[in-house]
Amino acid sequence: DVKVTQSSRYLVKRTGEKVFLECVQDMDHENMFWYRQDPGLGLRLIYFSYDVKMKEKGDIPEGYSVSREKKERFSLILESASTNQTSMYLCASSRGGGYTFGSGTRLTVV
Amino acid sequence: DQQVKQNSPSLSVQEGRISILNCDYTNSMFDYFLWYKKYPAEGPTFLISISSIKDKNEDGRFTVFLNKSAKHLSLHIVPSQPGDSAVYFCAARRYGAGGTSYGKLTFGQGTILTVHP
Repeated sequence: DVKVTQSSRYLVKRTGEKVFLECVQDMDHENMFWYRQDPGLGLRLIYFSYDVKMKEKGDIPEGYSVSREKKERFSLILESASTNQTSMYLCASSRGGGYTFGSGTRLTVV
Repeated sequence: DQQVKQNSPSLSVQEGRISILNCDYTNSMFDYFLWYKKYPAEGPTFLISISSIKDKNEDGRFTVFLNKSAKHLSLHIVPSQPGDSAVYFCAARRYGAGGTSYGKLTFGQGTILTVHP
């Protein structure tokens, strides 16, 4: 069974901390994505990557960066966490068709 | 600019009845449309899709209809079951410029479906 695995289901971090969210896929997909889900706003794209070391900004990249050193791993970095980054973070991968999502990471910034 | 819109935040339906979830889009370059279902504390899972060259696709209890002229699609669930209670997201895809095929999806805001026993 194909999988997208996000390293943490729940995280609580303090304001100003640097936060790493990790995502690994085992499907050899070229494309990987990071979204956040907020009530009433749906899924909003933060960053995506279509190849190793390649990245592009999504709709809401401010306050975030990403890293893709290996094809199977796509990391989301919150450089200095703020309370407005409290959200559900979802990683996905695809080969150009539909997405396979991870289970999500519920991040709370206090 | 919200290119994919789900204007109904929630929908409540009796078990056995039909659920109709709606989605509107503005970008005529979208060529593929998908519906995802999401339970709390889980990632979205793919439900059904439709290509822009079709106007209907059916899979068991789920049917998606596409009206290109109106830039509107809908998901019909018949009969609705309590286990269908979830958030439903509409998504649209357009291929990137220059032939790249990363197929970025644009999602709507989601509709919370509640099916009462």
